[in-house]
Amino acid sequence: AQRVTQPEKLLSVFKGAPVELKCNYSYSGSPELFWYVQYSRQRLQLLLRHISRESIKGFTADLNKGETSFHLKKPFAQEEDSAMYYCALRGNTPLVFGKGTRLSVIA
Amino acid sequence: DTGVSQDPRHKITKRGQNVTFRCDPISEHNRLYWYRQTLGQGPEFLTYFQNEAQLEKSRLLSDRFSAERPKGSFSTLEIQRTEQGDSAMYLCASSLAGQGYNEAFFGQGTRLTVV
Repeated sequence: AQRVTQPEKLLSVFKGAPVELKCNYSYSGSPELFWYVQYSRQRLQLLLRHISRESIKGFTADLNKGETSFHLKKPFAQEEDSAMYYCALRGNTPLVFGKGTRLSVIA
Repeated sequence: DTGVSQDPRHKITKRGQNVTFRCDPISEHNRLYWYRQTLGQGPEFLTYFQNEAQLEKSRLLSDRFSAERPKGSFSTLEIQRTEQGDSAMYLCASSLAGQGYNEAFFGQGTRLTVV
């Protein structure tokens, strides 16, 4: 079975502080992992995927197969980062999403 | 707007009524997905099409739900005899099929309220 766990419903940080949104997954094969973001009143959109190993808007995420984790990190949070963040996994079915973490960046 | 569009954006219906939602994918995308999202949850997969073929349905898709994509372009999702538990945001997404990962683009969703 494919499962994605995001343990934090809400994460509040001060502007300029580091951010880490946790994501753990369960899948027996080789998964593809993604982070999606939903800003207020906007549609769900892809933020980054592990395959491309890119940094988007200052965010990075490293796939750790030993710990089955794909945590999202940013060294210095900005107010415009406030949004819902969803970790997602694609194994042998279409995308499976976690329940999401609401990030609130306080000025 | 050339993205995925969904209609209507909001629907309020009485329990027991039938409702139908429409999704227009990005024009060159051959895959189309339906998801449901309830409060406090992430999107949950319902079904997906490649062209006009419905390739997979999740256990969430009870026999009151039916989805079609008759010409491989737009899709409809119908819910018969709606129940209060059907109240949710219904999301549509589309992508290209093929080698490697092709990003799924989401619509803004249809919010269904069953009263």
